[in-house]
Amino acid sequence: EDKVVQSPLSLVVHEGDTVTLNCSYEVTNFRSLLWYKQEKKAPTFLFMLTSSGIEKKSGRLSSILDKKELFSILNITATQTGDSAVYLCAVEAGNQFYFGTGTSLTVIP
Amino acid sequence: NAGVTQTPKFRILKIGQSMTLQCTQDMNHNYMYWYRQDPGMGLKLIYYSVGAGITDKGEVPNGYNVSRSTTEDFPLRLELAAPSQTSVYFCASSSPHDRGGTEAFFGQGTRLTVV
Repeated sequence: EDKVVQSPLSLVVHEGDTVTLNCSYEVTNFRSLLWYKQEKKAPTFLFMLTSSGIEKKSGRLSSILDKKELFSILNITATQTGDSAVYLCAVEAGNQFYFGTGTSLTVIP
Repeated sequence: NAGVTQTPKFRILKIGQSMTLQCTQDMNHNYMYWYRQDPGMGLKLIYYSVGAGITDKGEVPNGYNVSRSTTEDFPLRLELAAPSQTSVYFCASSSPHDRGGTEAFFGQGTRLTVV
């Protein structure tokens, strides 16, 4: 059975901290791994990763994929209160996207 | 750029009522999806479609039906609403290609409450 597991389930940090969110997967016919940010509405796209070892970076956010060990991490440096959200990991495999349950991040001022 | 449009945004149904959640996309995407999201949970796939005239069950299809008569539209039908169907529903679309992945584009969601 295809599955995507995220950890931790929730995280509370102070502004300025650095956080690492984890996503492991077991799927057949892997095509890509995606990270989304969800703030009480529709998920918004952050990154898509298809190749191992190539870091994708956008401002304070970065992500990398390890296709051998079947996991990805999402790093957020110098966190801000606006980073508070649920971060979803999804794996595109076959004709579907498989989503993890998400990591809820709360950044305290 | 409308993207993926869902209607309605909110709805309250009584047990046993039926309704259709509308979803339309203007990106000419072949693939469309319906997900539900319960509090504190990830997205669970209800149904998906890889093209007009083709639909397939996802992880949680019971109590729902879909149709895909056109590339643009992918309505989700609830025939006999039950409290367990209280959730937020998201429609999404994508256009996979052979060389790699693609992102899913989401509608703004429909918050459904069954009482």
